[in-house]
Amino acid sequence: DIQMTQSPSAMSASVGDRVTITCRASQGISNYLAWFQQKPGKVPKRLIYASSSLQSGVPSRFSGSGSGTEFTLTISSLQPEDFATYYCLQHNSYPPTFGPGTKVDIK
Amino acid sequence: QVQLVQSGAEVKKPGASVKVSCKASGYTFTSYGISWVRQAPGQGLEWMGWISAYNGNTNYAQKLQGRVTMTTDTSTSTAYMELRSLRSDDTAVYYCARDMGSGSYGAFDIWGQGTMVTVSS
Repeated sequence: DIQMTQSPSAMSASVGDRVTITCRASQGISNYLAWFQQKPGKVPKRLIYASSSLQSGVPSRFSGSGSGTEFTLTISSLQPEDFATYYCLQHNSYPPTFGPGTKVDIK
Repeated sequence: QVQLVQSGAEVKKPGASVKVSCKASGYTFTSYGISWVRQAPGQGLEWMGWISAYNGNTNYAQKLQGRVTMTTDTSTSTAYMELRSLRSDDTAVYYCARDMGSGSYGAFDIWGQGTMVTVSS
């Protein structure tokens, strides 16, 4: 199975900060990488697919990049509604595997 | 609009089985598959398996092989996930998600609202 790691596991940030989360795959996954946002008690929401494509309706402050084994999710200017846990997912091959998550909370 | 609506919360005793439904609307059901994902309290997301709504092909997580069965009813655009021999560590929120399958970009774009399954004696 492909293992996914994320860093950091948690972070504190302020409104307006630029936030970058990294996801690494244990082997190459091309660009079959998606990012999800989950707020407490809510359903995960896909933000980014194909590593860098923005899901329709998602604010443009979210962006993704990377290919192969290293990927990043960037929030250019953190907003109050962005405090949440973020997960990456590889779906290059079975089984699809999620990263352990990065919790972004208020500094 | 495109949506997946799941069945309601369940409370089961250890050793019992649970069957969760996921009804699709707003898209051609047989053009996609459905993945099932679960999340134990305070934990991350765990993929359980996938079923093609086109031909019923399945792919299950190895740790659940033998305990899980995924099916679809194309006449009602509904997917089902049955988990048997329930244990306390199966307590989780269970989600269905639209998924064209690994190696495609149409993965996990639409999610059901989740179904809480509690396993307790």
